[in-house]
Amino acid sequence: GQQLNQSPQSMFIQEGEDVSMNCTSSSIFNTWLWYKQEPGEGPVLLIALYKAGELTSNGRLTAQFGITRKDSFLNISASIPSDVGIYFCAGSAYTGANSKLTFGKGITLSVRP
Amino acid sequence: ETGVTQSPTHLIKTRGQQVTLRCSSQSGHNTVSWYQQALGQGPQFIFQYYREEENGRGNFPPRFSGLQFPNYSSELNVNALELDDSALYLCASRDKGETQYFGPGTRLLVL
Repeated sequence: GQQLNQSPQSMFIQEGEDVSMNCTSSSIFNTWLWYKQEPGEGPVLLIALYKAGELTSNGRLTAQFGITRKDSFLNISASIPSDVGIYFCAGSAYTGANSKLTFGKGITLSVRP
Repeated sequence: ETGVTQSPTHLIKTRGQQVTLRCSSQSGHNTVSWYQQALGQGPQFIFQYYREEENGRGNFPPRFSGLQFPNYSSELNVNALELDDSALYLCASRDKGETQYFGPGTRLLVL
């Protein structure tokens, strides 16, 4: 099935560093969501974006909904060891009752203490 | 904690068997979606239920079916299990907005 493009597959950073992740699509989305998943758990919502150009923060996390509606980025500032996990972007192309999320393959983030 | 619960947490079945997975939505959420997540992949949309009716389906065969109950809890049924059905099955609930909240998932292993 269709997937969003997330790369690289893995990122390794030092504790305290900032990290930025991109997500791109060939299709337009009305909503962009960023999730974090840890081993044995379901994805946990980090940030939701609903309007093109929107910039939203959640603590040390900042995400933006691209102007073209075909991309989004997530920035994590001053990383800490508990930021380790898999980060997924997801887009929704529909509004109202009929809605599905299309996911990227995820980026595995490792943080060295 | 999202308020979305799933059972069982793990399940082992053999090829050809049938399985039923259950999901309890977050309070007030009338829409539930099911996703399949293979190892190393992002979740793939299976289908969505709204007010007890299926109103969206991904690229999955008819042997994947579901139910939503009046209390908005839901079931995913898979018949004639195949080895490739081994995956983490996630349900997600939402209200009128686009934000979906996921449960912890059921890990299914088909031998």
